[in-house]
Amino acid sequence: GENVEQHPSTLSVQEGDSAVIKCTYSDSASNYFPWYKQELGKGPQLIIDIRSNVGEKKDQRIAVTLNKTAKHFSLHITETQPEDSAVYFCAAIRSVNQGGKLIFGQGTELSVKP
Amino acid sequence: KAGVTQTPRYLIKTRGQQVTLSCSPISGHRSVSWYQQTPGQGLQFLFEYFSETQRNKGNFPGRFSGRQFSNSRSEMNVSTLELGDSALYLCASSLNRAKGEAFFGQGTRLTVV
Repeated sequence: GENVEQHPSTLSVQEGDSAVIKCTYSDSASNYFPWYKQELGKGPQLIIDIRSNVGEKKDQRIAVTLNKTAKHFSLHITETQPEDSAVYFCAAIRSVNQGGKLIFGQGTELSVKP
Repeated sequence: KAGVTQTPRYLIKTRGQQVTLSCSPISGHRSVSWYQQTPGQGLQFLFEYFSETQRNKGNFPGRFSGRQFSNSRSEMNVSTLELGDSALYLCASSLNRAKGEAFFGQGTRLTVV
């Protein structure tokens, strides 16, 4: 069935360093890939997304890359800050046929040490 | 613009009881999806509603049900609660089914004792 694998499960970096989180999806028909940040006691917050017709997208310190052939996509955070500490989730969806059915990775707990 | 609102934020119920959770989507959004989040299983899709009709359903037993009203507000119901139903229940709203972007509420933390 549909599956999204996310690595690593935990990631600890020093403030100012970069962080990279990687995901692999199984459904080749997936065409939309969002990333969410979830802080303690809050719901997931959409931070960046990418569609299957784009290879890379950047928003300030955050970027996402997509390799459709390998069915991989990654989140890159540069110049990390303590407030980036949270759990990050990747997801995949066939946005036309599957509507709201996001398939999520298991999450990465990012810790940024000052 | 107000975000997705879920009520209540916290609930404690006893095994065998039933519970109803409410979700008000972002104004103008017509698609509402529900997810269950647990430490062991992560975020799992429950169902999606659009134009008052269930469009998609995840792999959950029939004890989990939902509905959507004409103003796009949605409710989900869990009957005959089990200890394993303890979780954070999240609602997400989307403008329409094709666009993809989903915005989540704060969730309802359900504890079954």
